[in-house]
Amino acid sequence: EAQVTQNPRYLITVTGKKLTVTCSQNMNHEYMSWYRQDPGLGLRQIYYSMNVEVTDKGDVPEGYKVSRKEKRNFPLILESPSPNQTSLYFCASSLAQGGGYEQYFGPGTRLTVT
Amino acid sequence: DAKTTQPPSMDCAEGRAANLPCNHSTISGNEYVYWYRQIHSQGPQYIIHGLKNNETNEMASLIITEDRKSSTLILPHATLRDTAVYYCIVRGLNTGNQFYFGTGTSLTVIP
Repeated sequence: EAQVTQNPRYLITVTGKKLTVTCSQNMNHEYMSWYRQDPGLGLRQIYYSMNVEVTDKGDVPEGYKVSRKEKRNFPLILESPSPNQTSLYFCASSLAQGGGYEQYFGPGTRLTVT
Repeated sequence: DAKTTQPPSMDCAEGRAANLPCNHSTISGNEYVYWYRQIHSQGPQYIIHGLKNNETNEMASLIITEDRKSSTLILPHATLRDTAVYYCIVRGLNTGNQFYFGTGTSLTVIP
């Protein structure tokens, strides 16, 4: 089944404790991205990657890192999480960049930083 | 990318057609119109997209006005499972692949 998977689905952590949220897709998509969703603000893009070893900042990249060492995986790293990073996170992928390509979203990771 | 304007909420009776409007008056010629929906806090789900012509698939129909400044998503026979937030997005062919979701329209299908 074609899908985007994220792990963990739920995470409660403390301020400053490094964490990684994994994202994997099995559709051989070139493009992957991370979003966060907060009440009243909709989905905002954090980082995106147009291919292996190619990443770029989205609208809200501060406090996050990403890497794209292989096509299927695009982990989101929070080196020193803070309470304002408490949010619902989604990973997405599409065949390529640009208009005309739909994005497939993962199920989401609900992160709480205390 | 052009920004979109959607009503914050709508109701629709079960079994009736749900017509969700979207205004994108600053859309440019190479920008597509996409519709996604999000049920509760699940990952957004792709519904349909189009450039100029009206489009139809198994889920919905997309009607784009001739001047492309607005569009309507039509769910022909709404069910309770169609209750969700619906996002209208416009996105160009050569952008950095950013989807601006906005806050969407919360559709409630009423029994």
